[in-house]
Amino acid sequence: EPEVTQTPSHQVTQMGQEVILRCVPISNHLYFYWYRQILGQKVEFLVSFYNNEISEKSEIFDDQFSVERPDGSNFTLKIRSTKLEDSAMYFCASSEDSGSYNEQFFGPGTRLTVL
Amino acid sequence: GNSVTQMEGPVTLSEEAFLTINCTYTATGYPSLFWYVQYPGEGLQLLLKATKADDKGSNKGFEATYRKETTSFHLEKGSVQVSDSAVYFCALSERSQGNLIFGKGTKLSVKP
Repeated sequence: EPEVTQTPSHQVTQMGQEVILRCVPISNHLYFYWYRQILGQKVEFLVSFYNNEISEKSEIFDDQFSVERPDGSNFTLKIRSTKLEDSAMYFCASSEDSGSYNEQFFGPGTRLTVL
Repeated sequence: GNSVTQMEGPVTLSEEAFLTINCTYTATGYPSLFWYVQYPGEGLQLLLKATKADDKGSNKGFEATYRKETTSFHLEKGSVQVSDSAVYFCALSERSQGNLIFGKGTKLSVKP
């Protein structure tokens, strides 16, 4: 069964460093998403991506964040200069189509720890 | 703005007990409603969904009914199993958008 994969499973970094979180969406999916969950809090939407551009983003997704689809398979989230409050679980998701009727398939997440 | 509120966990039940996890929502339009489940070490998986008022979503013995009058989408299962131990997330999505708005999640532990 096709699945979304994410690497690494756990990333530890120093404050101020850049990190890149990687995701491989399901191959025939066209819409890609990043969410995050700070420990003990809600899963929050960060950004959605379609046709090589951002289609929607939340207030959390400021200039420190960027997304990219560098090749036909990977979808990455870059945090330019990490802060302590960026420590969270980051989930990637993909779907065949957009809109509320379409199921989003999630990866297992990357736990980011900023020291 | 849109939001989802679900009951705080953890919830601990014995096998074959009845489960209810409450979920209420606030939305400006007519959202679709979802329950996602996360088993240990895995990603979020769609458990069930309902796209309009009075719809009932069901899967694996779980069910939830979209109640517009009470803005609720409570998850129920008549007889839980140890394998149901997981974190359950209620979520909504507005019709015109794809992004999901989640509740905090409720951890369920089922003891044999």
